[in-house]
Formats: sequence, C-alpha cells, structure tokens
Amino acid sequence: DGGITQSPKYLFRKEGQNVTLSCEQNLNHDAMYWYRQDPGQGLRLIYYSQIVNDFQKGDIAEGYSVSREKKESFPLTVTSAQKNPTAFYLCASSIIVGVGNQPQHFGDGTRLSIL
Amino acid sequence: GQNIDQPTEMTATEGAIVQINCTYQTSGFNGLFWYQQHAGEAPTFLSYNVLDGLEEKGRFSSFLSRSKGYSYLLLKELQMKDSASYLCAVNAGNNRKLIWGLGTSLAVNP
Repeated sequence: DGGITQSPKYLFRKEGQNVTLSCEQNLNHDAMYWYRQDPGQGLRLIYYSQIVNDFQKGDIAEGYSVSREKKESFPLTVTSAQKNPTAFYLCASSIIVGVGNQPQHFGDGTRLSIL
Repeated sequence: GQNIDQPTEMTATEGAIVQINCTYQTSGFNGLFWYQQHAGEAPTFLSYNVLDGLEEKGRFSSFLSRSKGYSYLLLKELQMKDSASYLCAVNAGNNRKLIWGLGTSLAVNP
C-alpha cells in the first residue's frame, strides 16, 4: 500500500544535539512538507519542497534544515539552534496539479522531546 | 494578513447533526480543505471546495461561499468516533502552501 512513513515515532534530544526525522513516501508525489504542531495550536509550516534538489522556507524555518536528494525522501534536521523543539512533527506530501487543489496526505508523525 | 477562524470547541450528541464553521480572510483563494484529526494522530483529508455550494460525501458535507469567505462542515448521524479536531485550511496562492486554522475540537456524547 502507498503511504508516508515517518520514523521514529518518538524521539528524545539532549541539549545541544542535532536530530534528524525521517520521512519517506511511495505515492510518487512531487511536493513534500514538514509541519510542527504544538498543543492548542494549528499546523505551522517549517519547510516545503516541490521538486528534487529544491526547497523553500516556511513560516518557522529557523533552527531547522532539510534536504531533498530523492523524490521519495524529505528528512528534517532539528538543530541545536532550535531552542524549543518539543512538539509533534508531521510530514505530508501532495501531487502538484495546477495551482494546488490536491490534498496533502500525512504521515503518522514524530513526537520529539527534550531530555 | 491572512487569517482563518474556527470555534475552539463544540459538543454534540450521538445521532445528531453538527455544523462546524470556518471563516477566512486571505489575499487569494484556490480552494478550502477540511481535515479530521483524532488526538495524537495525523490529520486525514475529508473534503475540498473551490466553487460555491455544497459537496456531499456520505455523512459529511462541506459548503463554501467565496463571496462571504465562509465554509462549514456538516456532520450527520454523529457517532462517538467522530470525536476529533476538525481543521480548516485554505490555499491562498499559487505556491501550494496552506493556511491552517487552529481546529475545532468536537466532543460527541452518548
């Protein structure tokens, strides 16, 4: 079955440590997205990519980095510069058709906590 | 600025009908999405509206009025499993980014 796989499901980070969250999709979607969700808040876009080897900053990119070397993969690195990384991280992907009327499909998410 | 408003919480009874409203003020409009998110899980796509009117999908329907910047999600024959957060999101430009509302937490009681 096609889908989006995020790993790990739970992740703990020590102070000053970088961690990488994995996102893989086998839906053949062109666009991929990373969101952060905090309790009581909506989804906030961190980075997105519409094509391999290209990506754009979202609304809260500071302290995060991404790469898009393959169509199927869009890993997110939470760097030590991100001072409040504890959150639920969601990866999504979508087909690109016209001006963007295709829904985004989400992975199961990764919960990141600070030790 | 770009803004989406939804009620924070709603309560309804099993078997009843509930309407969840969403109003938006955005610089452009290329469609509105509704998603369902159960606690601790990822959002799942429910519906999409780009033209005015009602779109029906089983127990769920979604309505859009572009002139009023307004949409609603109608849930019929409510079931306990419908207890979840319902997110409204607007595609406001041609860069395929979505603007998300904070979600409406719906509690369905027996």
